[in-house]
Amino acid sequence: SQKIEQNSEALNIQEGKTATLTCNYTNYSPAYLQWYRQDPGRGPVFLLLIRENEKEKRKERLKVTFDTTLKQSLFHITASQPADSATYLCALGVAGNTPLVFGKGTRLSVIA
Amino acid sequence: DAGVIQSPRHEVTEMGQEVTLRCKPISGHNSLFWYRQTMMRGLELLIYFNNNVPIDDSGMPEDRFSAKMPNASFSTLKIQPSEPRDSAVYFCASQPVRPGGDTQYFGPGTRLTVL
Repeated sequence: SQKIEQNSEALNIQEGKTATLTCNYTNYSPAYLQWYRQDPGRGPVFLLLIRENEKEKRKERLKVTFDTTLKQSLFHITASQPADSATYLCALGVAGNTPLVFGKGTRLSVIA
Repeated sequence: DAGVIQSPRHEVTEMGQEVTLRCKPISGHNSLFWYRQTMMRGLELLIYFNNNVPIDDSGMPEDRFSAKMPNASFSTLKIQPSEPRDSAVYFCASQPVRPGGDTQYFGPGTRLTVL
């Protein structure tokens, strides 16, 4: 069966360290993968998109990798700050205009 | 741009009552999605529309749920009759149709509590 798993429900990290979140999938052939941030009481907000032919994407302190052999994406936040505390969702997109499929998310807490 | 607008933000109702959630997508976006989010199941797609036409409603849990999109700027999700297990946060999202994938823009959600 198709499955998307994000490494853990919650991740605590000290301020200044690099946070690494994992998204694994099975029985999908995604054309691209997206990461979203969700704050309490709000809807998810798009952060980054990486396509199947891209290995890495960066945006400021964020970095995403995509390994279609391992069927895994890693999401890194360098020099983490308490303001980075939120839930991060990965979402897979297949070819065409079909909807995204979301993971359950990882709740990140950055402790000062 | 005001973004995706949803109303109401909070809804508390009693079991058996009809509930109507509303969504105004971003102008110019061709696709609209309704999701339900719970702690247990995460973000689940209920139904989506392309150019106001329902494309896939396989995520709608039961016949008690229905959705309409009478025009490009308005959609509703109706639950009739509502049950306590329908309690969740309901999100609407819109997306411009472009090849190669694109981002979804989410509304703030409607928190539904069915007593």
